[in-house]
Amino acid sequence: ILNVEQSPQSLHVQEGDSTNFTCSFPSSNFYALHWYRWETAKSPEALFVMTLNGDEKKKGRISATLNTKEGYSYLYIKGSQPEDSATYLCAFNNAGNMLTFGGGTRLMVKP
Amino acid sequence: EADIYQTPRYLVIGTGKKITLECSQTMGHDKMYWYQQDPGMELHLIHYSYGVNSTEKGDLSSESTVSRIRTEHFPLTLESARPSHTSQYLCASSPRASRANYGYTFGSGTRLTVV
Repeated sequence: ILNVEQSPQSLHVQEGDSTNFTCSFPSSNFYALHWYRWETAKSPEALFVMTLNGDEKKKGRISATLNTKEGYSYLYIKGSQPEDSATYLCAFNNAGNMLTFGGGTRLMVKP
Repeated sequence: EADIYQTPRYLVIGTGKKITLECSQTMGHDKMYWYQQDPGMELHLIHYSYGVNSTEKGDLSSESTVSRIRTEHFPLTLESARPSHTSQYLCASSPRASRANYGYTFGSGTRLTVV
C-alpha cells in the first residue's frame, strides 16, 4: 500500500488569509498527482491533475505546484473565502493507474 | 448537475440483511471504482472495473462484491450486512485514458449504518 501524506490535517484561517498545504507521495513510479476539493454533503470535485515535474496549475485563487523528484505537491489558496471551506484531498496515481488518496486537509475559513 | 448517481444516499439496516448500493454514470466512462471511507480516515479503494465484465479487488479487503454487466452501471452488494460494514461508500468513474489529464468524477456517496 502506497503512503500518501497530507499536512496539516486541519486548518482554521480568517477570511482574506492566504494558506497552503502539503501532499507528499512516493517519488518512484510517478504517473500523476490529483487534487480534489470535497465540500460537506457534496461529491469530491477534481481541481487539478498534474503530470510533469515542475508543473504549476491555477484555477482562480487556487494554485498547485508539483515536485516529482522529491515527492511533494503544494496547494495554495490566495485570499481565502468562507466558500473555500472544504476538505482538500490529494491522490497519487502510480504506474498501476489506481489512485491512492491522502487523509485530506480540512480547511475552515472564518468570516 | 451530477453525471454519476448513487442511491441510496443514506441507509440504516439491520444485521444480516442483503443490500445493494447502486451507482450509475451517464458519461460513457469505461473505468469505475468503489471507495470506502471510515470517519476521519482516508478513502480506500475496494473494487474497480476497466469495463463490462471486468471487476477487480482494490487495496482494502472487503466482503462486498460488484458486477459490471453494463458500462453505465456498477452496483455493490453485501450479502449479509454487519456493523463492521458501517461506513461511507463512494463510487467514481474515469475515461479509459485515465493516465492522462482526467480527474475522477465522484458520486455523492452512500452513508451506510448497520445496526
